[in-house]
Amino acid sequence: QKEVEQNSGPLSVPEGAIASLNCTYSDRGSQSFFWYRQYSGKSPELIMFIYSNGDKEDGRFTAQLNKASQYVSLLIRDSQPSDSATYLCAVHMEYGNKLVFGAGTILRVKS
Amino acid sequence: GAVVSQHPSRVICKSGTSVKIECRSLDFQATTMFWYRQFPKQSLMLMATSNEGSKATYEQGVEKDKFLINHASLTLSTLTVTSAHPEDSSFYICSARGTSWANSNEQFFGPGTRLTVL
Repeated sequence: QKEVEQNSGPLSVPEGAIASLNCTYSDRGSQSFFWYRQYSGKSPELIMFIYSNGDKEDGRFTAQLNKASQYVSLLIRDSQPSDSATYLCAVHMEYGNKLVFGAGTILRVKS
Repeated sequence: GAVVSQHPSRVICKSGTSVKIECRSLDFQATTMFWYRQFPKQSLMLMATSNEGSKATYEQGVEKDKFLINHASLTLSTLTVTSAHPEDSSFYICSARGTSWANSNEQFFGPGTRLTVL
């Protein structure tokens, strides 16, 4: 079992729709979770992080965390073509004090 | 704030040569820096973690004699790819974690260095 798993996609959504990106992780002791966006040929940029169960909203983005289910998601409202990118889920592993990244989900927003 | 730079952004070298990549935190002190490698269409793979003033911790399968990491100050870490070969061609990205963000485990990424070994 991979430490952090994501559906590779591509996930295609029409402009203006809600994009839902999902991630599961194996380390039940993990406490910090991050979503990064990566455009082709560029390095990742942080979208948001979440520590507590529930929802965390920042503009058009909402991160959701369910530690019991070991599941974290990212919702993008009013998706725009500029949101088309690869979205990386990262989980902080207490062992090793490091981030472990999922393989990423490719999102395509069609205008 | 929280800007991380990398130099060079792109390098092409001949097989057998060594290449040094610099990673700098411009506006904060980075107690820990991380080096990642990313092959096309794959995710980031952590190569090593370096703490200022101490030896780097390498991930399993990463040759420490081939990928030399130095973290001599709180704002600079270097990765040297020794005797590079075509299979070392990849996108190398550093990230930094600072004292101000120690509790968040948040990492800030540099723009990456694309290495091509001919």
